[in-house]
This record gives sequence, C-alpha cells and structure tokens, in this order.
Amino acid sequence: EAEVAQSPRYKITEKSQAVAFWCDPISGHATLYWYRQILGQGPELLVQFQDESVVDDSQLPKDRFSAERLKGVDSTLKIQPAELGDSAMYLCASSLYRDQGEKLFFGSGTQLSVL
Amino acid sequence: GNSVTQMEGPVTLSEEAFLTINCTYTATGYPSLFWYVQYPGEGLQLLLKATKADDKGSNKGFEATYRKETTSFHLEKGSVQVSDSAVYFCALSVGDDKIIFGKGTRLHILP
Repeated sequence: EAEVAQSPRYKITEKSQAVAFWCDPISGHATLYWYRQILGQGPELLVQFQDESVVDDSQLPKDRFSAERLKGVDSTLKIQPAELGDSAMYLCASSLYRDQGEKLFFGSGTQLSVL
Repeated sequence: GNSVTQMEGPVTLSEEAFLTINCTYTATGYPSLFWYVQYPGEGLQLLLKATKADDKGSNKGFEATYRKETTSFHLEKGSVQVSDSAVYFCALSVGDDKIIFGKGTRLHILP
C-alpha cells in the first residue's frame, strides 16, 4: 500500500538553529497537510496545500515557520530559528481531494527535540 | 466554533473486555465524524467515519454511531485484543473546513 514518506524520523537541534522536514505524499494526492502534535494533544493543522498553492496557513507562525511545495508534489517545512516550544511531532498527511471528509493518509512523522 | 471532547486516558483494560471511548462534539453546520488510531511509532490512520446522523461506522470490530441528538460519536468494541493498544483520536470536519482532532485517548490492553 502506498505511504506518505517523511524524513528525518528524529531531529535534535539547539534553539536558534534552523531545521527542515521533508514530506513526499502518496502519488496523485493533490492535497498535502502539515500538522504539529504536541505530546498529549491531538494534531493541529499548520498549513494545507492544494497542488502547489497554500489554501490555509492561518495557524502557521510565519515569523519563524515556512512551508513550500514548489512542484505540487513533495513539500518542505522549515523552522528558523527553532525555539524550545517547537519540540513536538510534525506530521505530514495527504488526501486525494480537498474535501475534508476524504480520508487522510498520515506519514510516521518527524519527532523534533529542541534543546 | 467547532470542537471535539473525548475522554481522558489512559484507559487500561484486560483482553476480551468491552471498550467504550466517549466523544462529544460541538459544530456549526453538519459535520463528518471520524475516529483515527495511532499505533506506537506510526502515523495516524483512519479507523472509521460517519458522514450523517444515525450512520454507523465500523472497522476491525470497532463501531461508532453518529448521534445528532446527543452530539456524540462514542467508539465501542465488544472484545479488545492486546494489538488494539494505541492512541485513539476523535475528529470532525464541516464542509471544506479543516479536520479538528480531539486530544486523544491512550488505550492499554493487558494480556
């Protein structure tokens, strides 16, 4: 079965450093999502792409976070500079259509620890 | 606004016990409701969903019924297994709006 690929699996960094996460969605999925999951909480949407366009980044801290999906396929989420409070699991998901009733397919996530 | 409230964990049961994880929601409009499951070391995966009132979603022995009158979508399973140990998330979406997840309920099944 096709999967959403994410890398790295784990990332440890010091505060004020830059970090980047990569996601490759399931082939053909037009909609891509980045979520942040703080320990003990449910995932919260950071940014949603439809093809290469951002359709929702209302919860993305734009002073330090950026996301791109240049060719409408894979995507990169960057944090610069990282802060202690950014420690969390960063999940990528994709779906065939934008309709949120559609099934989301999640990757295994990148666990970020900021020291 | 739209929100989901689910029972806090962890929930610890013996194998073959009956499981209920409560979930209630608040939504403007008519939401679709979901249960996602996250096994250790893995991403979330859809367990079941229901898109309108009185629908019952089911998968892998789990069931949940969309109850509009009580704004609930409780997850049930008649006989749990050790392999069901995971974190379970109740979620909703309204139209094209983003999916909103509950905080998750960790389930431990003892052999």
